Amino acid sequence: AQSVTQLGSHVSVSEGALVLLRCNYSSSVPPYLFWYVQYPNQGLQLLLKYTSAATLVKGINGFEAEFKKSETSFHLTKPSAHMSDAAEYFCAVSDPNQGGKLIFGQGTELSVKP
Amino acid sequence: DTGVSQDPRHKITKRGQNVTFRCDPISEHNRLYWYRQTLGQGPEFLTYFQNEAQLEKSRLLSDRFSAERPKGSFSTLEIQRTEQGDSAMYLCASSPLGATSGNTIYFGEGSWLTVV
Repeated sequence: AQSVTQLGSHVSVSEGALVLLRCNYSSSVPPYLFWYVQYPNQGLQLLLKYTSAATLVKGINGFEAEFKKSETSFHLTKPSAHMSDAAEYFCAVSDPNQGGKLIFGQGTELSVKP
Repeated sequence: DTGVSQDPRHKITKRGQNVTFRCDPISEHNRLYWYRQTLGQGPEFLTYFQNEAQLEKSRLLSDRFSAERPKGSFSTLEIQRTEQGDSAMYLCASSPLGATSGNTIYFGEGSWLTVV
């Protein structure tokens, strides 16, 4: 079975500082991995995805993530945080044997201090 | 694309009543998914359709829950005899024709259910 663990339910950074949100996965098959962002009372928006091409994936709003098979990790980073980045972030793995459904982590709430 | 549309956005109901949520996926997306999300948690998979066929149901989907996608377009999720534990946001999502695991799944804004 596939699973995702997000380390840290809440991360706080200062505006302009590096953002690092951690995600580790477990999968018996080569995984497809995703990061989604959720603003209050809204649905989920895709930030980026890894689908076995380049291991460094660039997404929207300046975010990127690196797939590291040896560490079973897919951490999300952004060099300089902006106030508008404050939101809930979810890492997810796609199960290739289960119709492409996503299995989500618990989420990390990002706060950005002025 | 107009995006995935869900209706209603908010529903307050008394315990024991039935509720129905509707989802209109992105046009020509053949896969449609339902998820449930409670406060402070990640979305949990409930069920998914490929066209009109319901291919998988989670053990979370008790007998009180039923989902349909009669013509392979919009879908409904009905909860019968609601309980307070059903209070959550119900998210619908869709992905394009011939979806593989790498295809993006697009989410709607969600339908909030409060059972009082």
